[in-house]
Amino acid sequence: DTAVSQTPKYLVTQMGNDKSIKCEQNLGHDTMYWYKQDSKKFLKIMFSYNNKELIINETVPNRFSPKSPDKAHLNLHINSLELGDSAVYFCASSQLGQGAYEQYFGPGTRLTVT
Amino acid sequence: SQQGEEDPQALSIQEGENATMNCSYKTSINNLQWYRQNSGRGLVHLILIRSNEREKHSGRLRVTLDTSKKSSSLLITASRAADTASYFCATPRNSGNTPLVFGKGTRLSVIA
Repeated sequence: DTAVSQTPKYLVTQMGNDKSIKCEQNLGHDTMYWYKQDSKKFLKIMFSYNNKELIINETVPNRFSPKSPDKAHLNLHINSLELGDSAVYFCASSQLGQGAYEQYFGPGTRLTVT
Repeated sequence: SQQGEEDPQALSIQEGENATMNCSYKTSINNLQWYRQNSGRGLVHLILIRSNEREKHSGRLRVTLDTSKKSSSLLITASRAADTASYFCATPRNSGNTPLVFGKGTRLSVIA
């Protein structure tokens, strides 16, 4: 059984478009995250949600809007895509918040903006 | 700002040899975590070591933590080709309930 799943795995789109990435975890965790990994493999947190509530927003442009309909799902919507948004986006979850517990990552969504 | 820094950036060894990777960090922490990332995949949690622990084992993995030097090491013994991956250390940004900050990783290549 997949613990943290993301769709789609690959996303190729043009500048200016709007796209969404979906994430689901079946681990019963309370906390979920979105990370961005750039071409140099640097992984940086974007958002953190605890039981559907936004806890962390790491000065991400407001073109990025996360939504958590329930604690098992955390989706990421991106408006007006830019070339610099090209990266791999990872969803993750943990039992409780932030850095105190191990995190479980999804397989990633490779976003390419042309 | 970046918290953890892995060293070396890349490491190439023969199968059966041991691989050691190091991580240095800047602020006080309550735990340090190591993750593995295979090419094109998500990160997989390996070990979490708490600040009151000095050493932890999991199978062929051994992690040490020296809080006085603000450093940790990950040792993989008897390496296999399947260990080829990037290895990241991660620490909470500050003390308390703060997000994990990941280093840039060590790229390990194990040659059969």
